[in-house]
Amino acid sequence: KAGVTQTPRYLIKTRGQQVTLSCSPISGHRSVSWYQQTPGQGLQFLFEYFSETQRNKGNFPGRFSGRQFSNSRSEMNVSTLELGDSALYLCASSTRDRYNEQFFGPGTRLTVL
Amino acid sequence: AQTVTQSQPEMSVQEAETVTLSCTYDTSESDYYLFWYKQPPSRQMILVIRQEAYKQQNATENRFSVNFQKAAKSFSLKISDSQLGDAAMYFCAYRSARRYNNNDMRFGAGTRLTVKP
Repeated sequence: KAGVTQTPRYLIKTRGQQVTLSCSPISGHRSVSWYQQTPGQGLQFLFEYFSETQRNKGNFPGRFSGRQFSNSRSEMNVSTLELGDSALYLCASSTRDRYNEQFFGPGTRLTVL
Repeated sequence: AQTVTQSQPEMSVQEAETVTLSCTYDTSESDYYLFWYKQPPSRQMILVIRQEAYKQQNATENRFSVNFQKAAKSFSLKISDSQLGDAAMYFCAYRSARRYNNNDMRFGAGTRLTVKP
């Protein structure tokens, strides 16, 4: 069974631009969570989706948004990029029954110049 | 709010030896899950082991085992017979057993483990 995939793997943007990251969960997994990883703040939870609905949200500004499609694929969008948004963005998926056992993707490295 | 603390930023172990990584957490809840994740240089986070708070028995996965002390809110990871492939960043994580409603996964700052040949 294929693992969690994230595209693109690397991205370079400039301040003020917006970006969309994509995550395809493991087949059969309907829960998708997003995390931001930085050297200074560590791993921080962004949001979680299940059945196309946001079920949980972390403490990030409204510039960070996400959505989930009927096939469980998820996207996250960051508008008006700031230098501090440079980070590794990780996506994780899980099943409904074992929702605490999260499987992570390789991440998207976003650099904001 | 729940917090997870890993007091050892870096640890080193000789190949084939045993090493223990420490983790403490703070919570007022009684039902929760604890995890150890491994993040090698390739960056992909891998679940190493998980522990349900209601279970008194410590979880074990091959060479990996935990020492779960619920009253002390301590959750250490022991790696036996360390191998070069164990070198990675290890994260301790906490999640409430409540479904949704602010039960996001909380991670510690991580411990970088080096394995010396």
